[in-house]
Amino acid sequence: RKEVEQDPGPFNVPEGATVAFNCTYSNSASQSFFWYRQDCRKEPKLLMSVYSSGNEDGRFTAQLNRASQYISLLIRDSKLSDSATYLCVVEPGYSSASKIIFGSGTRLSIRP
Amino acid sequence: DAGVTQSPTHLIKTRGQQVTLRCSPKSGHDTVSWYQQALGQGPQFIFQYYEEEERQRGNFPDRFSGHQFPNYSSELNVNALWLGDSALYLCASSPGSDAHKAFFGQGTRLTVV
Repeated sequence: RKEVEQDPGPFNVPEGATVAFNCTYSNSASQSFFWYRQDCRKEPKLLMSVYSSGNEDGRFTAQLNRASQYISLLIRDSKLSDSATYLCVVEPGYSSASKIIFGSGTRLSIRP
Repeated sequence: DAGVTQSPTHLIKTRGQQVTLRCSPKSGHDTVSWYQQALGQGPQFIFQYYEEEERQRGNFPDRFSGHQFPNYSSELNVNALWLGDSALYLCASSPGSDAHKAFFGQGTRLTVV
């Protein structure tokens, strides 16, 4: 089983729609969770952290469900510029020398 | 602040050759991690350097080695290249153990023919 699993998509939705992605992780001791965004042929960039209480940043909402070991990302009122690959990232945090583990990414395409 | 810079941006090598990729971290960052991203996949962790030592390593063979210099810059070396080593190689720098505060360079696209 992969440490971090995502639905690869692609998700193809119209502008203005709401879209949600889920990501599951296998290590129940994982400490920190993030969503990164990667545009075509570009480097990944941190989109937002995911907190146990859930958090919102404008049109983006992230949720963490520790019991079921998944995190989610909700995008409301989607824009053409939201088209990208969204990478789920988990930091195991079981040592001071942490590494971050990426999922394979979910491709999102917003159509006019 | 130049951010994380990697060189070269593109590289073509022949199977069996050796390659060295370079990374300069963001100012103030002392930890450098290397990732391999194959087409259509997420980045896979290769290893991480801190204080000129390899601190953690992913599931990559010994053909992959690295180095960190006193100025925190880093090199990734790959020996005996395989066709399957063709990928985007990403360097990420972060302050100390805050891996999630990583900033990525734009990567080196390596093609092995």
